[in-house]
Amino acid sequence: DIVMTQSPDSLAVSLGERATINCKSSQNLFYSSYNKNYLAWYQLKPGQPPKLLIYWASTREFGVPDRFSGSGSGTDFTLTISGLQAEDVAVYYCQQYYSTPPHTFGQGTKLEI
Amino acid sequence: QVQLVQSGAEVKKPGASVRVSCKASGYTFNDYYIHWVRLAPGQGLEWVGWINPNSGGTNYAQNFQGRVTMTWDTSINTAYMELSGLKSDDTAVFYCARDWGSFGGSFPFHPWGQGTLVTVSS
Repeated sequence: DIVMTQSPDSLAVSLGERATINCKSSQNLFYSSYNKNYLAWYQLKPGQPPKLLIYWASTREFGVPDRFSGSGSGTDFTLTISGLQAEDVAVYYCQQYYSTPPHTFGQGTKLEI
Repeated sequence: QVQLVQSGAEVKKPGASVRVSCKASGYTFNDYYIHWVRLAPGQGLEWVGWINPNSGGTNYAQNFQGRVTMTWDTSINTAYMELSGLKSDDTAVFYCARDWGSFGGSFPFHPWGQGTLVTVSS
């Protein structure tokens, strides 16, 4: 199974500043035949279901603000939130869908102001 | 719009079983896999398994094999997850989620149901 490891486990960022969350995969997630990285990012707020933010490592889901961006390839990925807003307080998860089953998630990163 | 609506919260005793439903709307039910994901208190997201509503095929995570059964009813566009032999550490929110893309393949999950809290307590 592919193991996903996020860092840090938690971080505090001031309003308007940048938050950076890292995700490392135990195996390569880049599928050369399709030129895509099979990596997604989700946002989880209390009392709400997870929300898909980013897929194919860097494609924003429809309606996701452009302050959210994803980057990286292969085994190392980053979620960046620029100009942090109060509503961005949440737990963020990365997920690989390159080699399934199982679909594996990182352990989560708690973002606070 | 595409929507998944789950059944309400459940309270069960240890050893009992629970069945959670997930009613889909806004798309062709048979064309997309449905996944189930567990979020236990203080823990992260854990994939439980998937069902292919077109064929009835299923695949379960090793941690749940032997205890979980996923079924579906195409006539009412609803998927079900039944978990048996409940233990106190099964207390969690269970989500259903649809594959982002159709007809199988490798995709992220979108959208998600609102979640169903299952509490296991004597």
